[in-house]
Amino acid sequence: ETGVTQTPRHLVMGMTNKKSLKCEQHLGHNAMYWYKQSAKKPLELMFVYNFKEQTENNSVPSRFSPECPNSSHLFLHLHTLQPEDSALYLCASSQEGRGVGGETQYFGPGTRLLVL
Amino acid sequence: AQSVSQHNHHVILSEAASLELGCNYSYGGTVNLFWYVQYPGQHLQLLLKYFSGDPLVKGIKGFEAEFIKSKFSFNLRKPSVQWSDTAEYFCAVNGPGNTGKLIFGQGTTLQVKP
Repeated sequence: ETGVTQTPRHLVMGMTNKKSLKCEQHLGHNAMYWYKQSAKKPLELMFVYNFKEQTENNSVPSRFSPECPNSSHLFLHLHTLQPEDSALYLCASSQEGRGVGGETQYFGPGTRLLVL
Repeated sequence: AQSVSQHNHHVILSEAASLELGCNYSYGGTVNLFWYVQYPGQHLQLLLKYFSGDPLVKGIKGFEAEFIKSKFSFNLRKPSVQWSDTAEYFCAVNGPGNTGKLIFGQGTTLQVKP
């Protein structure tokens, strides 16, 4: 356990569905991240939030919509996804999130998403 | 664009063998470097990191890595691996700017045979 939880752990959805992924951190951190891990590809950063404000959007398609209501919770809203969006979606958190002194990021277990 | 390259995608070793996993990055500025590990069925977790000072960094479970600035490298080493080291290993570097962005390599799968 790293103090970062993600739900659901597995999700199967059709291309016309709308679903949301949830991440919660119990570490008192101020930065949260969404990553995508596809087979045979490097882990890709999607979004960064610092103190609830989005500070990085790594050219992610608008069918992925993040939400950070407070420093402990992060959501990823999904709509009209494509089969190539099937992947493991990882959430992470860190203390400050501003690249200070090589901050450690703490990862959740991920949500395995399959888009049919 | 900044990138991280891990040369070995799949490594198979016998117990007690020495390990070295290669990692090179492309960014020429000040960097913070990391090795993360993912054991089977577990979360991605930090193994070790470099952000300043001694370029030889020691991490958990007997791992170490050496930052060689002139070679843009941060290779991971362990003198004697154990079966429990079987895992996937990821090298990462802080992206430019001050957003906490991490850029990861493709990962190396290490299989240690008992």
